[in-house]
Amino acid sequence: AQSVTQLGSHVSVSEGALVLLRCNYSSSVPPYLFWYVQYPNQGLQLLLKYTSAATLVKGINGFEAEFKKSETSFHLTKPSAHMSDAAEYFCAVIYGSGNTGKLIFGQGTTLQVKP
Amino acid sequence: DGGITQSPKYLFRKEGQNVTLSCEQNLNHDAMYWYRQDPGQGLRLIYYSQIVNDFQKGDIAEGYSVSREKKESFPLTVTSAQKNPTAFYLCASSTQGQGGELFFGEGSRLTVL
Repeated sequence: AQSVTQLGSHVSVSEGALVLLRCNYSSSVPPYLFWYVQYPNQGLQLLLKYTSAATLVKGINGFEAEFKKSETSFHLTKPSAHMSDAAEYFCAVIYGSGNTGKLIFGQGTTLQVKP
Repeated sequence: DGGITQSPKYLFRKEGQNVTLSCEQNLNHDAMYWYRQDPGQGLRLIYYSQIVNDFQKGDIAEGYSVSREKKESFPLTVTSAQKNPTAFYLCASSTQGQGGELFFGEGSRLTVL
């Protein structure tokens, strides 16, 4: 079955350190890929989206992600963590052709930022 | 401002009672979705609708029902048949089409006592 895997349910970094959140998808066909962020008791906000126009995608709040077909990965990075980045992050994928717009979500990674 | 409004934000119900969660959008989006979120399990799709008067089951539709009588509205009923209804419920919408971004509401937290 097609799926998306986020490695590490919890990631802890110090303020100012590099943030790396991992996401791998399971398909030989390049899909549409997304990263969303969720703050406590809120809905999800789109951070960035890959649509095959460029392999390095820049998003909001200084985040970016690189699509690597050979590794079937779409890891999220930020050079310097800020306290306000503490949240839960979800990788999501739309597979194949069709018109459903139905996303498959990873299980989420909680980012903790220590002062 | 355009967006998605979910209500109520918090809801308590007794076992055996049905409850309806409201979702309204003014983004003029064709497609709407209901997701359930549980700790450590990500988001799971309950139902989705791509057009008025039509909807499809998602991955975990048992014990839930929906309607789509208006483009703007997609209410979700959690029935007494849902065995473990305590969860955070998220409504979303998108323009119909491949690769469409989802816009989410703030969520409704249902607790069954």
